[in-house]
This record gives sequence, C-alpha cells and structure tokens, in this order.
Amino acid sequence: DTAVSQTPKYLVTQMGNDKSIKCEQNLGHDTMYWYKQDSKKFLKIMFSYNNKELIINETVPNRFSPKSPDKAHLNLHINSLELGDSAVYFCASQRPGLAVKETQYFGPGTRLLVL
Amino acid sequence: DQQVKQNSPSLSVQEGRISILNCDYTNSMFDYFLWYKKYPAEGPTFLISISSIKDKNEDGRFTVFLNKSAKHLSLHIVPSQPGDSAVYFCAAKAGGTSYGKLTFGQGTILTVHP
Repeated sequence: DTAVSQTPKYLVTQMGNDKSIKCEQNLGHDTMYWYKQDSKKFLKIMFSYNNKELIINETVPNRFSPKSPDKAHLNLHINSLELGDSAVYFCASQRPGLAVKETQYFGPGTRLLVL
Repeated sequence: DQQVKQNSPSLSVQEGRISILNCDYTNSMFDYFLWYKKYPAEGPTFLISISSIKDKNEDGRFTVFLNKSAKHLSLHIVPSQPGDSAVYFCAAKAGGTSYGKLTFGQGTILTVHP
C-alpha cells in the first residue's frame, strides 16, 4: 500500500484556471507538508499542518490555499494559475511529535504544467 | 538566499568505487541533517541522517560525515552500485519551533557505471 499518495500525478492546465491537488497518507502521521520543486530543482517548503492546524506558512502567494479536512489529508488549492506555478509539488508527512529527529515521508509528486 | 547548497550538479562513478557527495550550509541554527535519494517520477526517500552532536553516522554502505566548523557534510557510498544511480538531496533542520521544516539543497545526480 502506498504510504503517501497524491492525485493527480500530472496536471496540464491553462493560465487563469483554478486547480486542486490532493494528498493522503495512511501512516497515522500528525504532520503534513507541501513542498514545491522549481525549475532550479530546489525543494522548498510551502505549508505544514499539524493535526489539522496550520503551523508553517512560507512566503507563498495567497492564490495558494492548503486545506486539511482531517489528519490524513492535506489538499492544495491554487487559484488563477500562472505560468510560474509550473513545478513539481510534493506532499510529505511526519510521525506524531515534532522532534527534530523525525523523518518525513514523501509522496510521488504532482507535475503541474501551466500553459 | 540558499542556506543549503550542493555545488556539484552531477557525479559519475565506476561500480565498486567510492561515491562522495558534498553539501554546505550557512545557517548555524541547523542541528539535524539528512540525505534523501530520489528516483525519476518518485518522491524523495530518506537515506541517512546525522545530529549536530555527532561527526559521523554509518548505515551499511552509507556514511555521513559532518564538519560543523566548516558547515559541511558529505555522504560516502562504498562500494557504489548501479542501483545507487539517482538524485541525492541534502537537507537540514533547525530544532525549536521550526516544526520539522526541511531546507533542501538542489541535488546531485549520481550515475554509477557498471
């Protein structure tokens, strides 16, 4: 069984559209994250939720809105898509507790292409 | 402002030899370091980590070395195998209220030739 899954895996859309990416983890983890891998290949944190509460909100345009309906899900909604939003988006989760030693488990990524 | 840097975009090694991947960081608040491995079309998977109170951690063929004074860490793979061919990301965490936030380098593509 897949531990951290994302849907869709590929998303091609037009500028100005609104789209959502879904993430689910079946590991029983409390903390979930969204990362963006840009064209320069850096993976950068966008958001994190701990037990459905937003705990990290990096400098991200407010067109991006995360939503956590429950501990196992963290979805990412993007309004008014722009060309620069094209990237690979990774979801990750971490075990209960925010100790520095805890490891994050990543989903397979969603490749977003905005035309 | 990239706080974690991997200055070698790629590394090519013969099977059986040692692979050494390097990583530099600038933030003195980082106290935990990790290496992730990534295959194409997959997410990063955890490989090995080291706490700032140690200078070496070993797990099978993989060893991570940390030089705090130089703000440098390296991953050694001995012996290298073709299945090790992947992108390797160095990442760092700060304790306290960082909530587990990982800061990644840009990755090094390792190719191990048979």
